Amino acid sequence: QKEVEQNSGPLSVPEGAIASLNCTYSDRGSQSFFWYRQYSGKSPELIMFIYSNGDKEDGRFTAQLNKASQYVSLLIRDSQPSDSATYLCAVLVIGNQFYFGTGTSLTVIP
Amino acid sequence: EADIYQTPRYLVIGTGKKITLECSQTMGHDKMYWYQQDPGMELHLIHYSYGVNSTEKGDLSSESTVSRIRTEHFPLTLESARPSHTSQYLCASSEYLQGAGATQYFGPGTRLLVL
Repeated sequence: QKEVEQNSGPLSVPEGAIASLNCTYSDRGSQSFFWYRQYSGKSPELIMFIYSNGDKEDGRFTAQLNKASQYVSLLIRDSQPSDSATYLCAVLVIGNQFYFGTGTSLTVIP
Repeated sequence: EADIYQTPRYLVIGTGKKITLECSQTMGHDKMYWYQQDPGMELHLIHYSYGVNSTEKGDLSSESTVSRIRTEHFPLTLESARPSHTSQYLCASSEYLQGAGATQYFGPGTRLLVL
């Protein structure tokens, strides 16, 4: 079993809709959780991190964490074509080791 | 945020050549990492360092080596490049964040093509 699992997609949403990206993790000792955006041919860019149960909002982005279910999600409201990218979920476990998911490809259709 | 620099950005080289990919960061981060990523595929950790004179192999078996003589510098070396080494190489450094523990920031990457 992988440390971090994501639906590979591709996920397509119309412009202006809400995009929902999901991630599960296996290590109950995981400390904090990150969402990165990666455009094709570019390096990952940190969007948000969360470490407490509940929601964390930053502009159009909301990260949600449920440690009991070992589940992290990223909601993108009012999706724009510029949001089209691969979104990577990452987990920090005790010992300062990061684990990345395989990424979910998102396409926002104008 | 971290300022992380990688050179060269693109490299085309023949089989058997020795190459060194450079990575530098200016924020004084102790922890640095090298990842390999093929197009459309997941990140694979190949090396990491928790500070000067500390280097460890990652999850992906790699024929490369690294060194960490200075905090800001974490070069990766391939003694004899092969076509199977063709990939994108991403360097990252880690910063302590209150509450989150730490987070990683990535450099722009080096695209390597071995002919």
